[in-house]
Amino acid sequence: GQQVMQIPQYQHVQEGEDFTTYCNSSTTLSNIQWYKQRPGGHPVFLIQLVKSGEVKKQKRLTFQFGEAKKNSSLHITATQTTDVGTYFCLRGSTLGRLYFGRGTQLTVWP
Amino acid sequence: DTGVSQNPRHKITKRGQNVTFRCDPISEHNRLYWYRQTLGQGPEFLTYFQNEAQLEKSRLLSDRFSAERPKGSFSTLEIQRTEQGDSAMYLCASSLGGTRGPQETQYFGPGTRLLVL
Repeated sequence: GQQVMQIPQYQHVQEGEDFTTYCNSSTTLSNIQWYKQRPGGHPVFLIQLVKSGEVKKQKRLTFQFGEAKKNSSLHITATQTTDVGTYFCLRGSTLGRLYFGRGTQLTVWP
Repeated sequence: DTGVSQNPRHKITKRGQNVTFRCDPISEHNRLYWYRQTLGQGPEFLTYFQNEAQLEKSRLLSDRFSAERPKGSFSTLEIQRTEQGDSAMYLCASSLGGTRGPQETQYFGPGTRLLVL
């Protein structure tokens, strides 16, 4: 259906290691957004991807939108303890409903 | 603070009681969303308003749930005859929606955590 599958559900890394989370859809996405939720906090917008094959960077974060616009990824280079949290992708639908992925919970060991 | 606010932040109630939550969006935002989030899950869409009109409702929103946005500003979410399965974080978000196009950025409130005993 209109859900997005997000993997992995959990990721534990040592500080300095890289991290990647993936969102996959069975249908073409018009766009996709990424949010971060710190423990005990609320989701905070990170970025929106719209174009096929789009790549955007925010410091150590790299966001990609697949050529077919059915998948997206978020990659963090050299993780820091401040990266801890759950990362969600969000897709919309023509009806106005919005669907979050299940999220990837990132733990970073110092 | 000009962000999204929600009240109360926490609510403990007994099964069968009614509860009402309030969300005050960012003032110029015309769209307002309600989500429910349980532990280990992403926020689940419940409903959204454009100004005072409720445009979409998830089937998750049973007839015990009702949401209003009477003047196109703040919104309330009421749960009648609460059940233990209603225990969750209820999140509100607002955005400035325009013409059909890429969905706009959502700004979330801190949420109301509901515990039904």
